[in-house]
Amino acid sequence: EIVMTQSPATLSVSPGERATLSCRASQSVSSNLAWYQQKPGQAPRLLIYGASTRATGIPARFSGSGSGTEFTLTISSLQSEDFAVYYCQQYNNWPPATFGQGTRLEIK
Amino acid sequence: EVQLVESGGVVVQPGGSLRLSCAASGFTFDDYAMHWVRQAPGKGLEWVSLISWDGGSTYYADSVKGRFTISRDNSKNSLYLQMNSLRAEDTALYYCAKAQGGNYFDYWGQGTLVTVSS
Repeated sequence: EIVMTQSPATLSVSPGERATLSCRASQSVSSNLAWYQQKPGQAPRLLIYGASTRATGIPARFSGSGSGTEFTLTISSLQSEDFAVYYCQQYNNWPPATFGQGTRLEIK
Repeated sequence: EVQLVESGGVVVQPGGSLRLSCAASGFTFDDYAMHWVRQAPGKGLEWVSLISWDGGSTYYADSVKGRFTISRDNSKNSLYLQMNSLRAEDTALYYCAKAQGGNYFDYWGQGTLVTVSS
């Protein structure tokens, strides 16, 4: 089973600043990596798939990069609605599909 | 508009059984594989099970293998999860999710809460 590790566990950033979230896979997942956003009391929402492709309706301030074992989600200028928990998920080697433990993005 | 609506979550005793349902609309249901993903209170996401578009292939997380059964009825645009021999650690919000591409999840329901407690 591929283990996904996200860092940091919590990230404090001021509105308008850039946020950089990391995800590492225990072995290569090629570009088969997705990112999700989850707000309190809501279901996860797909942000990025294929490591760098934005899902439908996702603002351009969200960008994904990386391949193999190292991936990054960047939010270029944080808006109030972006403070949430973010999960990465690999879908290269499965079952099982595996998620990272999440990064909580909070207001500084 | 894609909609996934789960139901069936309740409080059940350890060792008990439960059947979850997910009603799908807004897309051609029998074109897509479907998943169940769960989230224990205050915890992260855990993939539970997958069923292929025609129900011919199913996959399970090791934690539920032999106890849970996924199924679908394409004539009713519905997905199911039969849960047997429930344990306290199965307590979670259970989401149904539509598969896309290589099995990431492009749409999620709002979840149904299963609580296993005596």
